[in-house]
Amino acid sequence: EEQLLESGGGMIQPGGSLRLSCAASGFTFMHYAMTWVRQAPGKGLEWVSSISSSGGSTYYADSVMGRFSISRDNHNNTLSLHMNSLRAEDTAVYYCAKDAPPRQWPRLDGFDIWGQGTMVAVTS
Amino acid sequence: IVLTQSPLSLPVTPGEPASISCRSSQNLLHSYGHNYLHWYLQKPGQSPQLLIYLGSNRASGVPDRFSGSGSGTDFTLRISRVEAEDVGVYYCMQGLQIPRIFGQGTKLEIK
Repeated sequence: EEQLLESGGGMIQPGGSLRLSCAASGFTFMHYAMTWVRQAPGKGLEWVSSISSSGGSTYYADSVMGRFSISRDNHNNTLSLHMNSLRAEDTAVYYCAKDAPPRQWPRLDGFDIWGQGTMVAVTS
Repeated sequence: IVLTQSPLSLPVTPGEPASISCRSSQNLLHSYGHNYLHWYLQKPGQSPQLLIYLGSNRASGVPDRFSGSGSGTDFTLRISRVEAEDVGVYYCMQGLQIPRIFGQGTKLEIK
């Protein structure tokens, strides 16, 4: 069974840093791009960042550019999101999702696998 | 790309049909012939789940009362007979390019 499991969320003060992780299983992790999507309390879904299958290309929403860094470890089937200079508006549940294979990128046939999400609360 | 959903709130009587519209500011029909518009349902307290991909294809395990249609910039999700388990927020999303863009969401509730 294909699964994604996020971890690393918590409460953090404004200006602080946090690292989220996403452990993948049940599929060939290195064959797919990966994406982070977040959802602020009571709000809709917002794309945050994506990374190519090799890790060589990364993409960021304007709202997190320069503060967040996405990376992956294809040996350990793990996706990470390093978040710096956190702001109150970064408070959200963060989901990782399986993205497209290289032959299709950037075209995506839908996020068919999502993690359960990890909550990040930026508060003083 | 901007995706505009309507309505944003949808009260439905069980057994009745329901439909949600998603309009894109750009053409989502690729030259390969696929429409890169997908639909998700987020049930209360859960992660989003894929319902319809490439405009009209039901994802694995999705009941056949769900259907998707449309092409280019106008798309519709239809539920032929709403059941209590269908409550939640429905999102459309474009998968043609980066950034991945979602619609605002449509909250379906049971009357």
